Amino acid sequence: EVQLVQSGAEVKKPGESLKISCKGSGYNFFMYWIGWVRQLPGKGLEWMAIIYPDDSDTRYSPSFQGQVTISVDKSINTAYLQWSSLKASDTAMYYCARPRRYGAGNAAFDFWGQGTMVTVSS
Amino acid sequence: DIQMTQSPSTLSASVGDSVTISCRASQSINTWLAWYQQKPGKSPKLLIYKATSLESGVPSRFSGSGSGTEFTLTISSLQPDDFATYYCQHYNTDPYTFGQGTKLEIK
Repeated sequence: EVQLVQSGAEVKKPGESLKISCKGSGYNFFMYWIGWVRQLPGKGLEWMAIIYPDDSDTRYSPSFQGQVTISVDKSINTAYLQWSSLKASDTAMYYCARPRRYGAGNAAFDFWGQGTMVTVSS
Repeated sequence: DIQMTQSPSTLSASVGDSVTISCRASQSINTWLAWYQQKPGKSPKLLIYKATSLESGVPSRFSGSGSGTEFTLTISSLQPDDFATYYCQHYNTDPYTFGQGTKLEIK
């Protein structure tokens, strides 16, 4: 069974750093891109970035380029989303998701993590 | 970047109705379009991919159509479980942006 399990909710202060994770299981992790999607409270879905675990090829939305960093550790089937200096405006739910075609970043997301809620408040 | 515009933003309907949600791309995306359903507090769920293909396990009352820049999601014979928010997403060239969502409410 394909699963993406994300790390738990985080409460941080502005200016702090943070790294959240997404662990894949039930499939060949290195063969499928992993994407990250943001959802601000009460708002819609925003595509942030995507990474290919096999070679760490990475694509960012211009809206998020320079604001976050995504990475993977394929030895433990885990993808990461990190911030070096959080802002209150980063408060949101963050989802990881897997495209339905192996080797293809340009595919619909058929499996999603449960989401990680990040709250940034002083 | 390709912009995705959904309409309407909110839709009120009754159980048994048939409804259509539209999604327009700012440039041609061929048929590289997906539709998702999201319920409060839950992760999105894939319904349709490649504009018209029904994801495994999704009821056949959901259907997608369109190509190029104009797309629709149709839900025939609405069931109580269908009241949710629906998003389109293109995956033609990155960034693979989502539409702003359509909230389907019970009338």
